[in-house]
Amino acid sequence: NAGVMQNPRHLVRRRGQEARLRCSPMKGHSHVYWYRQLPEEGLKFMVYLQKENIIDESGMPKERFSAEFPKEGPSILRIQQVVRGDSAAYFCASSPRGLLSNQPQHFGDGTRLSIL
Amino acid sequence: AQSVTQLDSQVPVFEEAPVELRCNYSSSVSVYLFWYVQYPNQGLQLLLKYLSGSTLVESINGFEAEFNKSQTSFHLRKPSVHISDTAEYFCAVISSQGGSEKLVFGKGTKLTVNP
Repeated sequence: NAGVMQNPRHLVRRRGQEARLRCSPMKGHSHVYWYRQLPEEGLKFMVYLQKENIIDESGMPKERFSAEFPKEGPSILRIQQVVRGDSAAYFCASSPRGLLSNQPQHFGDGTRLSIL
Repeated sequence: AQSVTQLDSQVPVFEEAPVELRCNYSSSVSVYLFWYVQYPNQGLQLLLKYLSGSTLVESINGFEAEFNKSQTSFHLRKPSVHISDTAEYFCAVISSQGGSEKLVFGKGTKLTVNP
């Protein structure tokens, strides 16, 4: 049973380009969470999705960032017109149900985004 | 709002020594606490969690943590560390702000075990 798969592992973009980060949850998991980790910081929640629905995007910047989790295929975190401050590690986690169900989140190995 | 404070950003210890990584939380509602470990260039792995029941929780690799409501703490301990325990450790609490449950993390503690 494969774990949470994120790709690419490393992504380099120039300022103004778009970055697309992909996350395939574990089999049977319909809950996906995206977190961002800045250097010397803990992970910060960005968005929580279930299939075809955004449940909570209270941690997402209001502009340039969007996320989706379509019926088929991976969840995508999209950053438009990237800036240097977007450089970070982006982690995806999945779970079969919500956090209070005693089912833990499983994390992917992250995508390290570098902006030149 | 729920928050987590990890007082020590770095903890160096010698192999086979005991270690305590401190975590304090702030929460006005029911508390659910977690410790995660992150090895270099990897994602987070759940080490242990407290949802309810016994206040002392243990992991399979010798770590334990005790939920202390009066001191609002959830410190992580191990009586004898190994080189392989070198990693970054994150304490987290469940927050319900924004309409759903998500994890709020501390800034992490880098544990370095020296021979």
